[in-house]
Amino acid sequence: DADVTQTPRNRITKTGKRIMLECSQTKGHDRMYWYRQDPGLGLRLIYYSFDVKDINKGEISDGYSVSRQAQAKFSLSLESAIPNQTALYFCATGGLAANTGELFFGEGSRLTVL
Amino acid sequence: AQSVTQPDIHITVSEGASLELRCNYSYGATPYLFWYVQSPGQGLQLLLKYFSGDTLVQGIKGFEAEFKRSQSSFNLRKPSVHWSDAAEYFCAVEGAGSYQLTFGKGTKLSVIP
Repeated sequence: DADVTQTPRNRITKTGKRIMLECSQTKGHDRMYWYRQDPGLGLRLIYYSFDVKDINKGEISDGYSVSRQAQAKFSLSLESAIPNQTALYFCATGGLAANTGELFFGEGSRLTVL
Repeated sequence: AQSVTQPDIHITVSEGASLELRCNYSYGATPYLFWYVQSPGQGLQLLLKYFSGDTLVQGIKGFEAEFKRSQSSFNLRKPSVHWSDAAEYFCAVEGAGSYQLTFGKGTKLSVIP
């Protein structure tokens, strides 16, 4: 089983619908992240969390919200989806030990908003 | 604010040829630097990282990268490319202790048999 699991892997929805992308991890990591990937733009940080009581906005948080339900679960919500939120979304996790730096990524959730 | 520039959007090399992917960063102090690889349909995987010390770092799959402070660069190299190296490569920078990675826009590598 994957260490970082994202569901759903693919989703097509309509403008105005509420969408939730879920992420769960078995690595025991404290840090969890949501990134968005668009062709030619690389990965951009949406939100990140260092524990269940710590939520931080990233570079492009407008139009998104998150919930850290437990150490192992971090979900991303689009309250009212719009077409320019069509993208590939990645969840990632990392430890808090010094000088680790490595993030572990899920396989991505491809979202299409019509 | 930290930033990363990968000047090459797409590079094509022949199998067996050497490879160098360029990365320039902007950060006020010595950053933490990373190279990740994304195979088609997959998430990102860490190739190598630099925190301090020896400026030439070795990674997985035969890759290496050299940190050059004077040039604000962290270029990725491989002496002989294999067809399985075809993927997209991302350079990333983290301000020391910030736990926030900023990624470049990526370089897509194609390998000609």
